[in-house]
Amino acid sequence: DTGVSQNPRHKITKRGQNVTFRCDPISEHNRLYWYRQTLGQGPEFLTYFQNEAQLEKSRLLSDRFSAERPKGSFSTLEIQRTEQGDSAMYLCASSFAGGEQFFGPGTRLTVL
Amino acid sequence: AQKVTQAQTEISVVEKEDVTLDCVYETRDTTYYLFWYKQPPSGELVFLIRRNSFDEQNEISGRYSWNFQKSTSSFNFTITASQVVDSAVYFCALSYLDSNYQLIWGAGTKLIIKP
Repeated sequence: DTGVSQNPRHKITKRGQNVTFRCDPISEHNRLYWYRQTLGQGPEFLTYFQNEAQLEKSRLLSDRFSAERPKGSFSTLEIQRTEQGDSAMYLCASSFAGGEQFFGPGTRLTVL
Repeated sequence: AQKVTQAQTEISVVEKEDVTLDCVYETRDTTYYLFWYKQPPSGELVFLIRRNSFDEQNEISGRYSWNFQKSTSSFNFTITASQVVDSAVYFCALSYLDSNYQLIWGAGTKLIIKP
């Protein structure tokens, strides 16, 4: 399967805990994006990488959020000290620059 | 401002009817791309089409067709002979050179196809 994969698919955590999600993009793609989506809304951009460089971060991304793409391949998104408002679907997508983005199945986070 | 408007929040039709989903965009850029994505109840966003600003030809793919009109800044999506499996939320999106090709998303249109 050469699509975008994300792990875990579901995560339930208690408020205040840290969580980390992983995204494996389509291998030929140099761009990787993270989005957040809440029920009934469109995806909200969080950040993106071109190769290993993080080129932009949304103002939505508080200091509790950090993302890495250490070797320009897979990426991780960490949320520290989770809050109930962090409950959402976290989506990863990859593309060539200017190309269509292909999305993974998402990680659904529930913060209790 | 760069913006995508999908005025139809929800559409409900009976199977086999044709249905058109509207998308209106705003951009100052002359080089841009327009997209449609489908999000079925399973949640995964599925890419449907990309169209660049220099190509106004309409496109047909099976029961799906897209009408791009720069004069009205619209990129509408028509499903012919709808099927229950077409039920999903459909998003229109815009990317452009000055944004480094980040996607600007519409709010989505929820399409319900009744048997």
